[in-house]
Amino acid sequence: NAGVTQTPKFRVLKTGQSMTLLCAQDMNHEYMYWYRQDPGMGLRLIHYSVGEGTTAKGEVPDGYNVSRLKKQNFLLGLESAAPSQTSVYFCASSDPGTNYEQYFGPGTRLTVT
Amino acid sequence: AQSVTQLGSHVSVSEGALVLLRCNYSSSVPPYLFWYVQYPNQGLQLLLKYTSAATLVKGINGFEAEFKKSETSFHLTKPSAHMSDAAEYFCAVRVQGAQKLVFGQGTRLTINP
Repeated sequence: NAGVTQTPKFRVLKTGQSMTLLCAQDMNHEYMYWYRQDPGMGLRLIHYSVGEGTTAKGEVPDGYNVSRLKKQNFLLGLESAAPSQTSVYFCASSDPGTNYEQYFGPGTRLTVT
Repeated sequence: AQSVTQLGSHVSVSEGALVLLRCNYSSSVPPYLFWYVQYPNQGLQLLLKYTSAATLVKGINGFEAEFKKSETSFHLTKPSAHMSDAAEYFCAVRVQGAQKLVFGQGTRLTINP
């Protein structure tokens, strides 16, 4: 049981490039989330999903898109990366059956130059 | 809207001393409350959670927290700090009916030998 996994672990992009971060969970959770973590700012919710085929905006959605085509996967896309998107990105999943306790992945460290 | 305030972005204690990390929340309805810990270069993991059962909640690694409705607080304590407790700690709140958590800004705990 791997829990929540994230791919890749590290990435360096040039301004204007695009990329997709992959999150996968094997706990059959309904809900999935993407956060970014920046020094002194805690965790900020980018987008989330309450089920396969659904997505919703979080606190800081601009510049990001997401898709949840399969229940176990949640993709985060950056269409045109900017230096302000340099951050550590965390994926999490939860389920009503566990009182919405969130299970986190190990994170992806993204640098945009 | 619900929110979480963690008092003190950085707390330093001596090994063997009491650890007290403060968390206050704002919510008009009974919340679910969580404490997470993040070790360097890792994702967040759950320490403990309050879901309207016992007001004193015991978690992993000797930590506990008490839900005090009159004070809208959920402070995290540990009687005797260990060097391995050095990490960042996040308080989070979920209001019933909501599908996501709101996280505090985090408190970095340093343990002095």
